[in-house]
Amino acid sequence: EAQVTQNPRYLITVTGKKLTVTCSQNMNHEYMSWYRQDPGLGLRQIYYSMNVEVTDKGDVPEGYKVSRKEKRNFPLILESPSPNQTSLYFCASGESWPGYSPLHFGNGTRLTVT
Amino acid sequence: QKEVEQNSGPLSVPEGAIASLNCTYSDRGSQSFFWYRQYSGKSPELIMFIYSNGDKEDGRFTAQLNKASQYVSLLIRDSQPSDSATYLCAVISANQAGTALIFGKGTTLSVSS
Repeated sequence: EAQVTQNPRYLITVTGKKLTVTCSQNMNHEYMSWYRQDPGLGLRQIYYSMNVEVTDKGDVPEGYKVSRKEKRNFPLILESPSPNQTSLYFCASGESWPGYSPLHFGNGTRLTVT
Repeated sequence: QKEVEQNSGPLSVPEGAIASLNCTYSDRGSQSFFWYRQYSGKSPELIMFIYSNGDKEDGRFTAQLNKASQYVSLLIRDSQPSDSATYLCAVISANQAGTALIFGKGTTLSVSS
C-alpha cells in the first residue's frame, strides 16, 4: 500500500531534550516536505526536499533541522525543543516539484513540549 | 508574501444542499490549484485539483477556477454529514525564493442531517 509513515503519532517531551520525528514514503517520490499545523494559523511549511541531499527552508524553519540521505526518508529533528514548537506535524511527499501531482500526507505527529 | 484566503466558517448546510466553498489568492501567476479535505485530527487528503479556467467535475464535487478574478471555488452537491470537515485550498506560487505550495487556513463545513 502506497503510504507516508510518520512516527511517533504522539510525543510528549520536555524543553531542551533533542528529538527526531521520522518520515518514510514507499512511493519513490522525489519531493518531501514537513508542515506544522496550529489553530488559526493553518498549515505552514517547515522544510522541504526536492531530492536526495537537497533540502531547503520553508516558511517557519527556525528551531528545526532535516536531512535527506535516502530518497524514502526525511526525518525532522528538533535539537532543543521549546514549548512554542508544540504542534501537529505532518510529513508529505509528491512525485516531483513543482508539479501537478498531489501531496500525500502522513497521519501526523502530535508533539507537546512542556 | 503570497497569500491564500478562505473564510474560516463554519459553513453550515442541511443534508442534500449544495455547499459552496471559496478561496482567493494573491499571486496572479499561480497555475495549479488544489482542494484538500481534512477531518478533525486527521491528515489532509486531496479531493480535487484544477489548472485551467472553468469548471472541473468529479462526482459530487465541482472545482471552479477564475484566474482573472483570482479565485477558486469548490461546490459539493447533495451534501452529506460525512462531508463535514475542514476544506483547505492550496495554490502553487512562485517567487524569487522559489516555488511553494501555499495553503489557506481552511473553511470548516458542517452538514446537518
